[in-house]
Amino acid sequence: DVKVTQSSRYLVKRTGEKVFLECVQDMDHENMFWYRQDPGLGLRLIYFSYDVKMKEKGDIPEGYSVSREKKERFSLILESASTNQTSMYLCASTSFGGGSYEQYFGPGTRLTVT
Amino acid sequence: QQQVKQSPQSLIVQKGGIPIINCAYENTAFDYFPWYQQFPGKGPALLIAIRPDVSEKKEGRFTISFNKSAKQFSLHIMDSQPGDSATYFCAASIENSGGSNYKLTFGKGTLLTVNP
Repeated sequence: DVKVTQSSRYLVKRTGEKVFLECVQDMDHENMFWYRQDPGLGLRLIYFSYDVKMKEKGDIPEGYSVSREKKERFSLILESASTNQTSMYLCASTSFGGGSYEQYFGPGTRLTVT
Repeated sequence: QQQVKQSPQSLIVQKGGIPIINCAYENTAFDYFPWYQQFPGKGPALLIAIRPDVSEKKEGRFTISFNKSAKQFSLHIMDSQPGDSATYFCAASIENSGGSNYKLTFGKGTLLTVNP
């Protein structure tokens, strides 16, 4: 089974702190994604990566950056956390082709910025 | 901007009922339409998906109906059970010609409650 793990389930940070959220997948997937999930707003794409060191902005990249130094690992960075970044953060991965394009999600990190 | 509009926002049915969740899209280039199911405390997981060359796809108690001309698709859950209580997301995507990346555009989700 595909497994996507996220470094923390719950995280509390202070305004202005630099925050790292890590995601690791074990299925050699090329594509990895970071979403945030907020009530009533669904899943919104922050950034995605289709190869090591390659990244593209999603729909809401402001205030975030990402890093992908190894194929299995995709990190989301909040350079200076703000209260409006309090949210559930979900990582996902998928592979090229195969017809299904299924995205496999991690369990999420609930981040609270105080 | 690509959008997928999902309704209703929440839905309550009795056990055995047939909840229906609807989605509408604008971009006719979308060519893959999955539904994801999310239980509390878990990430979403693929439930069922359809491509626009068919009008219906059924997997167990879950059915997707697809209307290409209306640019709408819906999820039906037959004989719903309390264990089906979850948040359901529709989504759509465009496969890039080079296959170099794959993005989903999600609807805002429907919270389904199935009462015993």
